[in-house]
Amino acid sequence: AQSVTQPDIHITVSEGASLELRCNYSYGATPYLFWYVQSPGQGLQLLLKYFSGDTLVQGIKGFEAEFKRSQSSFNLRKPSVHWSDAAEYFCAVAPSGGSYIPTFGRGTSLIVHP
Amino acid sequence: GAVVSQHPSWVICKSGTSVKIECRSLDFQATTMFWYRQFPKQSLMLMATSNEGSKATYEQGVEKDKFLINHASLTLSTLTVTSAHPEDSSFYICSAPAPDSNQPQHFGDGTRLSIL
Repeated sequence: AQSVTQPDIHITVSEGASLELRCNYSYGATPYLFWYVQSPGQGLQLLLKYFSGDTLVQGIKGFEAEFKRSQSSFNLRKPSVHWSDAAEYFCAVAPSGGSYIPTFGRGTSLIVHP
Repeated sequence: GAVVSQHPSWVICKSGTSVKIECRSLDFQATTMFWYRQFPKQSLMLMATSNEGSKATYEQGVEKDKFLINHASLTLSTLTVTSAHPEDSSFYICSAPAPDSNQPQHFGDGTRLSIL
């Protein structure tokens, strides 16, 4: 079975600073990987996904993530954070093929200081 | 584009009441839908898989009689929390596989259930 670890419960950054949110996964083969964002009381919005191909994935809102097979990681990055980026971020992994039922990490809460 | 609509977005009710949450796939059909539960400041946990025309598949530890799932049509799945109690208060989210096999699940906006 697959699993996801997001080691940071909270991350605090200043507006304009760069951001990296960590995600490590456990899965026997190459999985499908996702990052979602959730604002308070809202549903999930897909930021980006990795299925295959280029290991550096570009997403919406200026986010990108890099799949590193050797490290079993899929860290999310943004070069300059905006106050509106404050939210909960979830990394998810799904088995390749099939209906992409994801297993979610615990989430990382991003706090942005002005 | 393909969207999943969830209703209601927020419900408050008295203990002992049964509450029904609807999940609709708009502009696409979904023979399978998924129901998640999210406790405050925690991740989403898959509760059950809803199957059109057949019984739902529940994850281990989820009470089938407490969380009734019905998938009566190709665009609608319902989750009924029966005889709800305060410990059932949570955020419930549904999802459906995208019609394009190269796309991940489409998620509803969630339902916040508060039991007094």
